[in-house]
Amino acid sequence: DAGVIQSPRHEVTEMGQEVTLRCKPISGHNSLFWYRQTMMRGLELLIYFNNNVPIDDSGMPEDRFSAKMPNASFSTLKIQPSEPRDSAVYFCASSLIYGYTFGSGTRLTVV
Amino acid sequence: SQQGEEDPQALSIQEGENATMNCSYKTSINNLQWYRQNSGRGLVHLILIRSNEREKHSGRLRVTLDTSKKSSSLLITASRAADTASYFCATDESGANSKLTFGKGITLSVRP
Repeated sequence: DAGVIQSPRHEVTEMGQEVTLRCKPISGHNSLFWYRQTMMRGLELLIYFNNNVPIDDSGMPEDRFSAKMPNASFSTLKIQPSEPRDSAVYFCASSLIYGYTFGSGTRLTVV
Repeated sequence: SQQGEEDPQALSIQEGENATMNCSYKTSINNLQWYRQNSGRGLVHLILIRSNEREKHSGRLRVTLDTSKKSSSLLITASRAADTASYFCATDESGANSKLTFGKGITLSVRP
């Protein structure tokens, strides 16, 4: 298995632009998690899905953030419009029961 | 909000020495997990200990859990330069397929 695949690895965008981050979880895993990592705040859970259904989105910072999981093999995290404070590394992780497998992350820089 | 708080924040040791990292948490948990993160990479799951377990081993890793003190420790024996990474504890409050809350991590440097 190729593991959790995230794209792009790096994204540099201008403030106000729309950003879409993508994630392909491990086949057979039924839970998917989006985390954001910054030096100041550490790892923050943004949203997670069980069986493609959003369970907890209380960590989504504001309405500018949205996430979808249209099927078991794909999820997106969208930021519209982006702001400089959104700059961070965004991780997607998947799991079956216990123990997460993380992707390599998307480093987002908003200038 | 942070659930796990690791201690120390940074640790520097000589290759061959043991590294002990501690984690404290605030609420009741179902299990506690430790992860490693190498620079520029995603986190890698190391070991899970359930709330009814007190100690667990995996290779050179030994983890303990004291639910009365709400604390856990991760011991890496005979450290190697390749163990240089950040280590995170994460707590699971609800059981299978639930969210993990991560601490801010411990930076371990192993000098060759």
